Amino acid sequence: SQQGEEDPQALSIQEGENATMNCSYKTSINNLQWYRQNSGRGLVHLILIRSNEREKHSGRLRVTLDTSKKSSSLLITASRAADTASYFCATDAEGAQKLVFGQGTRLTINP
Amino acid sequence: GAVVSQHPSWVICKSGTSVKIECRSLDFQATTMFWYRQFPKQSLMLMATSNEGSKATYEQGVEKDKFLINHASLTLSTLTVTSAHPEDSSFYICSALTHLGHQPQHFGDGTRLSIL
Repeated sequence: SQQGEEDPQALSIQEGENATMNCSYKTSINNLQWYRQNSGRGLVHLILIRSNEREKHSGRLRVTLDTSKKSSSLLITASRAADTASYFCATDAEGAQKLVFGQGTRLTINP
Repeated sequence: GAVVSQHPSWVICKSGTSVKIECRSLDFQATTMFWYRQFPKQSLMLMATSNEGSKATYEQGVEKDKFLINHASLTLSTLTVTSAHPEDSSFYICSALTHLGHQPQHFGDGTRLSIL
């Protein structure tokens, strides 16, 4: 199955700075999700945004969704070393239960 | 809530061995579970969708006779890699949806499989 694109593929910033990751997808969706994966572990759900929503917040996370451009962004504010992980967007392509994952962004927060 | 347990977390075995990986939903009923494969520094690739009491639906290119999936109860799905070879070495991750079928998916911690 086709997967979405994420950019950047890797991002390295200093602790305290903000990190922004982008995701693009190809098909119509019901919702888009962001997940975090620590090295060698499973995925942790961060936030879900529905197709009729444009922005959503959860703690230090801010997600935007532009369905006209088929794109989303994840902003992590005031980053911490513990935020170091890979971040994936995932869409329920055409309303199916299964998810299509983006290529992921490897985020490194330097202390 | 919504905890998914995957076992084993790590397995090394000889070529030709069959390996079974379990995925359990601990505090909810999961009518639908998913099995993914992930190569180093790559994204997750869906292998199959497992529905309780019915045959799994495999993604294109995934050999169903090689990767046997059983979802015999509302809390357990198993993936058996039959006659494993070194090219089957990978990180396998399961996820589950609650019986309501609503997102998000809840993921296990993955199984690292190494075939010698």
